[in-house]
Amino acid sequence: DAGVIQSPRHEVTEMGQEVTLRCKPISGHNSLFWYRQTMMRGLELLIYFNNNVPIDDSGMPEDRFSAKMPNASFSTLKIQPSEPRDSAVYFCASSPFRGADEQFFGPGTRLTVL
Amino acid sequence: AQTVTQSQPEMSVQEAETVTLSCTYDTSESDYYLFWYKQPPSRQMILVIRQEAYKQQNATENRFSVNFQKAAKSFSLKISDSQLGDAAMYFCAYRRGTSGSRLTFGEGTQLTVNP
Repeated sequence: DAGVIQSPRHEVTEMGQEVTLRCKPISGHNSLFWYRQTMMRGLELLIYFNNNVPIDDSGMPEDRFSAKMPNASFSTLKIQPSEPRDSAVYFCASSPFRGADEQFFGPGTRLTVL
Repeated sequence: AQTVTQSQPEMSVQEAETVTLSCTYDTSESDYYLFWYKQPPSRQMILVIRQEAYKQQNATENRFSVNFQKAAKSFSLKISDSQLGDAAMYFCAYRRGTSGSRLTFGEGTQLTVNP
């Protein structure tokens, strides 16, 4: 299996632009998670889905952030408009929906908003 | 809400020696899981070891082992025979026992391995 796939790996954009991050979970995994990593706040959950349904989006910073999972093999995290404080590494992770199964992380997208 | 605390921002160890990374957590749940993840400079998050709260026996994975003290809510990671490749940021994480639950991470401990 190819593991969790994220694209792009790096994104540099200017303040005010729309940014879309993409994630393809491991086939057969029913849970998908979006995390953000910054020096100030560490690793924090933004939102997660079980069976394509958003379960907890309390970590989404504000209305500028939105996430979708239209099917079991694809999810997007969109920031519109982007701001410099959104600069971070964004991780997508997936796991089977059972027990102690670990979450498998993608390589992350490093976002820089100028 | 669950919290995870790693009180050691940085640790260092000599190659071939043993080092212990500390982690404490707070929860009112009885069913949960604990994890240690490793993040090398490549930033890829890699699972090192996991512990089910209902198991009394401490988990081990080759050179990695944990000391799980449920009453004290402590979950430390011991790395034996440290290798240069062990140098990384290590994160302790908590997850509720409910399937499909989120991870709550500690602040991380940066481990340096000196040759």
